[in-house]
Amino acid sequence: DVKVTQSSRYLVKRTGEKVFLECVQDMDHENMFWYRQDPGLGLRLIYFSYDVKMKEKGDIPEGYSVSREKKERFSLILESASTNQTSMYLCASSLPLLTEAFFGQGTRLTVV
Amino acid sequence: QKEVEQNSGPLSVPEGAIASLNCTYSDRGSQSFFWYRQYSGKSPELIMSIYSNGDKEDGRFTAQLNKASQYVSLLIRDSQPSDSATYLCAVNLNNDMRFGAGTRLTVKP
Repeated sequence: DVKVTQSSRYLVKRTGEKVFLECVQDMDHENMFWYRQDPGLGLRLIYFSYDVKMKEKGDIPEGYSVSREKKERFSLILESASTNQTSMYLCASSLPLLTEAFFGQGTRLTVV
Repeated sequence: QKEVEQNSGPLSVPEGAIASLNCTYSDRGSQSFFWYRQYSGKSPELIMSIYSNGDKEDGRFTAQLNKASQYVSLLIRDSQPSDSATYLCAVNLNNDMRFGAGTRLTVKP
């Protein structure tokens, strides 16, 4: 079975902190994604990566950056956390092109 | 225009009925289509994928795709209370996976 693991299930951070969300997948997938999910807005794509050191902006990249130094790991960085970044963050991975995405368990981030 | 649109619901059906969920997408080049189920507080899980026009059946679930109309649907036959969840439509274009906002389904015993 595909396993996508996010480093934290729940996280509370202070405004202005630099926050790292980590995601690791064990199926040698080329593609990895970061989404945030808010009530009524569904899943919105922040960034995705189709290869090591490659990244593409999604719909809402502002205030976020990503890092993919190894194929299995994709990190989301909140440079200076703000209260409007309080959300559920979901990492996913997939094989190239047409295939489905598999999700991690999610990280519920609260910024106070 | 949103790339992937779904009725947010809530959609309520009685146990044993057919639940019909709909999705439209804006990019004609979209190549693959998926339905995910998400229980409250959990992450999405894949229930159906469809790549070509027509119907695809898997147990109580049938996905329907019409590329000319840019329309994807999911039918759930013999709906059960355990089917109560939010259903997300996803569309893949060149490695870029986009989701609709989801339709909340409630199946009443």
